[in-house]
Amino acid sequence: ELKVEQNPLFLSMQEGKNYTIYCNYSTTSDRLYWYRQDPGKSLESLFVLLSNGAVKQEGRLMASLDTKARLSTLHITAAVHDLSATYFCAVDDSSNTGKLIFGQGTTLQVKP
Amino acid sequence: DAGVTQSPTHLIKTRGQQVTLRCSPKSGHDTVSWYQQALGQGPQFIFQYYEEEERQRGNFPDRFSGHQFPNYSSELNVNALLLGDSALYLCASRMTGGVQGEQYFGPGTRLTVT
Repeated sequence: ELKVEQNPLFLSMQEGKNYTIYCNYSTTSDRLYWYRQDPGKSLESLFVLLSNGAVKQEGRLMASLDTKARLSTLHITAAVHDLSATYFCAVDDSSNTGKLIFGQGTTLQVKP
Repeated sequence: DAGVTQSPTHLIKTRGQQVTLRCSPKSGHDTVSWYQQALGQGPQFIFQYYEEEERQRGNFPDRFSGHQFPNYSSELNVNALLLGDSALYLCASRMTGGVQGEQYFGPGTRLTVT
């Protein structure tokens, strides 16, 4: 059974600092997704990572995928308050079937 | 281009009652999945519908059932509601066969069971 684990689960950081969120998964998968969720809201798609070594960047966020290590990272550069949210990684249970297994989420709090 | 829509936004039900939630997928999408998100947790996969049939199912009891209509919209039905069914129910749609396999989520229905 595929399991997805994120760490840390909670992250409080100062504006301007850098940090990384880690997402580990237990079985082979070649596609991983990152989502953002604001309180009381739905999930917003951030990144789709489809192959080993994939790296994608959008603004202050950069995501990467290492399928051999079964690890994805979401790196935050020079955090700003607007990045405060909960971030989820999700792995497709089989190849592109659409059954997503989510991590527990990492709640990011960026303080001025 | 309308995204994924869900109704109702909020719902309050009593234990033992039945509830129906509705979802319209993003234009061009043919597959709908339903997820349950309890407070403070990640979404959990309930089931997926494609071509009006349930294609995959997560670890949810038979009290949870669904339907997909010819226009690709979908319903989630929950019978004999329990307090533990209180959660945000998210519908997601995708285009089967799309290379990226990206799913787009609706705004969710907040169900409270008292």
